[in-house]
Amino acid sequence: GQQVMQIPQYQHVQEGEDFTTYCNSSTTLSNIQWYKQRPGGHPVFLIQLVKSGEVKKQKRLTFQFGEAKKNSSLHITATQTTDVGTYFCVTGANSKLTFGKGITLSVRP
Amino acid sequence: DGGITQSPKYLFRKEGQNVTLSCEQNLNHDAMYWYRQDPGQGLRLIYYSQIVNDFQKGDIAEGYSVSREKKESFPLTVTSAQKNPTAFYLCASSHPVGTEAFFGQGTRLTVV
Repeated sequence: GQQVMQIPQYQHVQEGEDFTTYCNSSTTLSNIQWYKQRPGGHPVFLIQLVKSGEVKKQKRLTFQFGEAKKNSSLHITATQTTDVGTYFCVTGANSKLTFGKGITLSVRP
Repeated sequence: DGGITQSPKYLFRKEGQNVTLSCEQNLNHDAMYWYRQDPGQGLRLIYYSQIVNDFQKGDIAEGYSVSREKKESFPLTVTSAQKNPTAFYLCASSHPVGTEAFFGQGTRLTVV
C-alpha cells in the first residue's frame, strides 16, 4: 500500500525563523493530507492536496504537492510558539488513511 | 454539537482482561477508523470500516476486534492477546472514505 516518509522526526527552531518539512513517497499518491496534533491533543485536519503541483496557503502556512505527486512540503513563515506540535502527512488511498510518523516542531521563544 | 466522542478519556485495566473502547459519531460519516499512537511511532491503523456491517484489518490488527452494527458506532475491543496494549487510542471518521478525518479526543489505556 501507499506509505509516506517524514524525516527528521524532530526539529527545533527559534521563534521568527521559517520552517519547512517534507513528506516523501516511493509511489504516486492520489492525494495528500496534512494534520497537526498539539501536545496532549488529537490530530486536526489542515489541508488536502489533490492536483500535481498544487499550492495552497493558510495564513503563514504554505502546502505544496509535487509535480510527480510523490512528495509534499509544508512551509511555515516566521514561526510562533502557537505552531508547536506534531505535523503529519497522510495518504488517503485505498479507502483508508495512512499516517507518516510525523515531525514534532518545537519553537524557542 | 456534531462530532466524534470517545469514552472514557483514561482507562486502567489489569493484564489479561479484555477492554472495550467506545467511539460514537453524529456526523453521518460512512467511514470510521481506529488508530494506536505510541511515542515516536506516529499513528498506526488498527481497523477501519467503510460502511455498516463491514470492516477491514489495518496494519496492526492482531489482538484487537471491532464491530460496526450501527453507522454511528465503532467500538474497539482490546483483547488479552494484545501483547502491549498500553497506548493512546484514537478514533476517527470521514466522508467520503479516505478524505478529511475528524478525530475524537482519544482514550489513554493503561494496562497494569
